[in-house]
Amino acid sequence: AQRVTQPEKLLSVFKGAPVELKCNYSYSGSPELFWYVQYSRQRLQLLLRHISRESIKGFTADLNKGETSFHLKKPFAQEEDSAMYYCALSGKSGGYQKVTFGTGTKLQVIP
Amino acid sequence: DAGVTQSPTHLIKTRGQQVTLRCSPISGHKSVSWYQQVLGQGPQFIFQYYEKEERGRGNFPDRFSARQFPNYSSELNVNALLLGDSALYLCASSRESNEKLFFGSGTQLSVL
Repeated sequence: AQRVTQPEKLLSVFKGAPVELKCNYSYSGSPELFWYVQYSRQRLQLLLRHISRESIKGFTADLNKGETSFHLKKPFAQEEDSAMYYCALSGKSGGYQKVTFGTGTKLQVIP
Repeated sequence: DAGVTQSPTHLIKTRGQQVTLRCSPISGHKSVSWYQQVLGQGPQFIFQYYEKEERGRGNFPDRFSARQFPNYSSELNVNALLLGDSALYLCASSRESNEKLFFGSGTQLSVL
């Protein structure tokens, strides 16, 4: 079974402070991991995926297989980063490809 | 490009009724997947279709079914609606079955 855990429902930080949104996963094979973001009144959209190893809007995420984590980080939070963030894992389950989402973390950046 | 489109945007049904939700993927995308999102939770995987074949199924009862048409659009059907089926139903498309997902705005289903 595959599982994604985001332990924080809400994370509040001041503008300019570092941000770390936690994501831990459980999966027996080699996972593909994503971060999706939903800004207010917008649809869910991809922020980044681990195989791209890219930085989007200043955010980065490193896959740590030893700790089974894929935490999302940004050194200096901006007000426009306020949104709902979902960690997701894509893997095979019972022969099928399946995407499992975490419960999400609401990031609130305080001006 | 219009992106992933879903219809209707809102729907109100009563218990026991049946509902059909529709999704049109981005042009060129062959894979469509469906998710249920209950308030305060992340999207829960229901189905994935690729090239008109079912490629994935989540832990949902047989009251939930779906299909994909030759033009890659898709329908999600839910029979014998229960109050607990009230949720936002999201459709997502991707070029291939394991690539990044592009989401629609969803259909908000309320079961009374």
